[in-house]
This record gives sequence, C-alpha cells and structure tokens, in this order.
Amino acid sequence: DAKTTQPPSMDCAEGRAANLPCNHSTISGNEYVYWYRQIHSQGPQYIIHGLKNNETNEMASLIITEDRKSSTLILPHATLRDTAVYYCIVRGSNSGYALNFGKGTSLLVTP
Amino acid sequence: GAVVSQHPSRVICKSGTSVKIECRSLDFQATTMFWYRQFPKQSLMLMATSNEGSKATYEQGVEKDKFLINHASLTLSTLTVTSAHPEDSSFYICSADPTSGGGSTDTQYFGPGTRLTVL
Repeated sequence: DAKTTQPPSMDCAEGRAANLPCNHSTISGNEYVYWYRQIHSQGPQYIIHGLKNNETNEMASLIITEDRKSSTLILPHATLRDTAVYYCIVRGSNSGYALNFGKGTSLLVTP
Repeated sequence: GAVVSQHPSRVICKSGTSVKIECRSLDFQATTMFWYRQFPKQSLMLMATSNEGSKATYEQGVEKDKFLINHASLTLSTLTVTSAHPEDSSFYICSADPTSGGGSTDTQYFGPGTRLTVL
C-alpha cells in the first residue's frame, strides 16, 4: 500500500470548516483513499473513501486531486465532538486487506 | 448497520493468567477479521489477520503462541492473550470487512476496543 503523509496536528474553531490534508504521491491506480478517525480510547470510525472523484456523505467531503497524489478531508462545520486523530489510509478496495495506520493528524476543535 | 462489538471493554488481570477477547460482527458476516494493538500515544499496529475456518496470519514480531486467534464462524473471532505480562497491557482493537449482510464490502469496520491491564 502507498504511504501517506499528514500534518501531526491542526486546530480549528468550532463552527468553521476543518480541512485536513493528506499526501499520497505513490498511490497506484487501483488504490482508494480512506479516512478514519479515532476519538480518545475508542475504536476507529470510518468517515469516507474515494478513488478519484470527490465524495460527500453526512459526515464529510473528500476532495482528491486530479493526479490523485493528494487529498483533503473537509468537515464543513466542526464541532467539539470532532476532536480526534484523523487517519488517511491508502488501500485496495478488495476485502481481506488490513489498514496500515500512520500517525494521523490530531485535530483539536476549540470553542 | 455494520456494527462490530468487542467483549470485554476493559479487563484487569494478574500476571501469568490468560485473557480472552471476543470480536463480533453484529449485522454482517466477515470472512476476514483483523486484530490491532495500540500503545499509549501511538498508532494502531496490526497484529494478525484472522481467517474464518483457517489459521490466522501473524505480523512479524507477534508471537502466535502467545496471542491465540480463533475465527470459528463468520461473525466471531477471539483473541486469547496467554500468560499475560505487564508489557502486554494495551488497547486491543478488532475490525472486519463485510462479505455479506450490512455495511459496504469495501469498507472495514472497527470494534470499540478492549483495554487490557496486566498487574
């Protein structure tokens, strides 16, 4: 699986959009970009994933650059409950393959 | 949909005892489940891949005789930490890829984790 690079930490004011970047310059054509988050002392929570098109669901939006070498997770209106470590992971879509977690980005949402 | 449960959520045991952790997919079936371990202030580290009806595949450096994995059905995998020692104290998390039932088959879902403390 391709390696990802994320900033170690970010701050965001409550109610504002949180934009979390991820670099995955070695991504291959059949690999997806997945985003998970982990709130303290809980299991990771799936957020969103995409291949090359931008994706949106009830939690977030995922913007993938045209060359697929980077992506941005957008939380449109961050709340205090969005404070967590966010992981960007590249993986093939086939089931049966584990997720390789890097260090992620620790997002702190402040009042 | 796509809920994974773990039991127990927290366990404290004496050194030398064995502890069993259960991981269940509640509304889907999973041929493959995964076990991760997370030490304080660190990321999740894959320990092993649990395959229904066959032997687990362990990551390098993980002792298969110490961390026994059984995946007896499509909804249950168990991790037994044998002869636990204080250095085994950690947060153990399982996950599963749905192969049928609820959830997306190209998304992995995680349990809430089990906090093991070995005295």
